[in-house]
Amino acid sequence: ETGVTQTPRHLVMGMTNKKSLKCEQHLGHNAMYWYKQSAKKPLELMFVYSLEERVENNSVPSRFSPECPNSSHLFLHLHTLQPEDSALYLCASSPRGGALGSGELFFGEGSRLTVL
Amino acid sequence: AQRVTQPEKLLSVFKGAPVELKCNYSYSGSPELFWYVQYSRQRLQLLLRHISRESIKGFTADLNKGETSFHLKKPFAQEEDSAMYYCALRNAGNMLTFGGGTRLMVKP
Repeated sequence: ETGVTQTPRHLVMGMTNKKSLKCEQHLGHNAMYWYKQSAKKPLELMFVYSLEERVENNSVPSRFSPECPNSSHLFLHLHTLQPEDSALYLCASSPRGGALGSGELFFGEGSRLTVL
Repeated sequence: AQRVTQPEKLLSVFKGAPVELKCNYSYSGSPELFWYVQYSRQRLQLLLRHISRESIKGFTADLNKGETSFHLKKPFAQEEDSAMYYCALRNAGNMLTFGGGTRLMVKP
């Protein structure tokens, strides 16, 4: 499969659960991103990885923990989340790291998270 | 700090009418602006970027530094233009900040 793929597409979890979101890209890009999309807020940048090193944290709570084992895979580990963390989590990739090159991000379809 | 503002959450026009989606930004440096679009059941994708000065699907956008705006325009809207549109700004650190989005509905 080509492009940016996110799994699972939907996730329901309790506040005490531990779960992970996965993102995979087959575009040969070396920068990957996590964005949070809430109903009443703009897209919020959470994390950026360039060449597998984190370059932007953006003051995200520690209950969100990213992992980038290689340039094709990105995870978002979730632990003791709150109901207000319910949102659509979008993964994106771009051809270059800190310099976005053309400025084009390639997005996945998102993982819809509901925290009960 | 930078900010991107899209004042209209919803814009509804009839087919064939002109459309303008507003975007204003605040940024102390030299900005790069983009428009992204999300059609129904599709992923978010780049529509156009100001540095290219291109017209994509009949849409154009001009960066007005005096008014700090980057409005998206199309002279004759089509039903297939119905989508969510997001304005975005890239800063000197190469990070993209998005506006809140505007839903465009083109009625037949």
